[in-house]
Amino acid sequence: AQSVTQLDSQVPVFEEAPVELRCNYSSSVSVYLFWYVQYPNQGLQLLLKYLSGSTLVKSINGFEAEFNKSQTSFHLRKPSVHISDTAEYFCAVNAGNMLTFGGGTRLMVKP
Amino acid sequence: EAQVTQNPRYLITVTGKKLTVTCSQNMNHEYMSWYRQDPGLGLRQIYYSMNVEVTDKGDVPEGYKVSRKEKRNFPLILESPSPNQTSLYFCASSGGFYSPLHFGNGTRLTVT
Repeated sequence: AQSVTQLDSQVPVFEEAPVELRCNYSSSVSVYLFWYVQYPNQGLQLLLKYLSGSTLVKSINGFEAEFNKSQTSFHLRKPSVHISDTAEYFCAVNAGNMLTFGGGTRLMVKP
Repeated sequence: EAQVTQNPRYLITVTGKKLTVTCSQNMNHEYMSWYRQDPGLGLRQIYYSMNVEVTDKGDVPEGYKVSRKEKRNFPLILESPSPNQTSLYFCASSGGFYSPLHFGNGTRLTVT
């Protein structure tokens, strides 16, 4: 069985500060990794994904995540956040035909 | 516009009264899935379908039914809803099991 742990349920941060949202997983097989974002009253949207190749993946709005196989992590980072980044972020792991989501991290960007 | 459409957005019902939440996608996706979202638990999969007439249980299937008679539609059926099924429900589809999911806007269900 696989599991996904998002270590922080809420992350408050000031605008223009850097942020890291942590995601760890456990799996006995190879994995595909995703970050989804959920804005208020909306469904989830894909933010970025790791399927293979370079372990550092980037989104169009400045987020990046690095797949670390030895630490079984896929942390999400942004060097400078905006108010509009306020949302809930979900890490998801696809392994052995099973997709498992973490519990979510609510990012709260303050002016 | 490519989208997944769920209806209704909000639903309040009473214990035991059968209900159906509809889900439709216009992307010709083979894979469709239902999730429920509860605070602190993330999304948990209820049922999924790899193609027409092919459905399978997810992590929390008890109390739910689904059908996949057409590729575009994947309704979620609660035959006898109970208060512990009060939740936010999402339908999603993708072009393949390892492809990213496209989500609907959700259905907030309250069972009293």
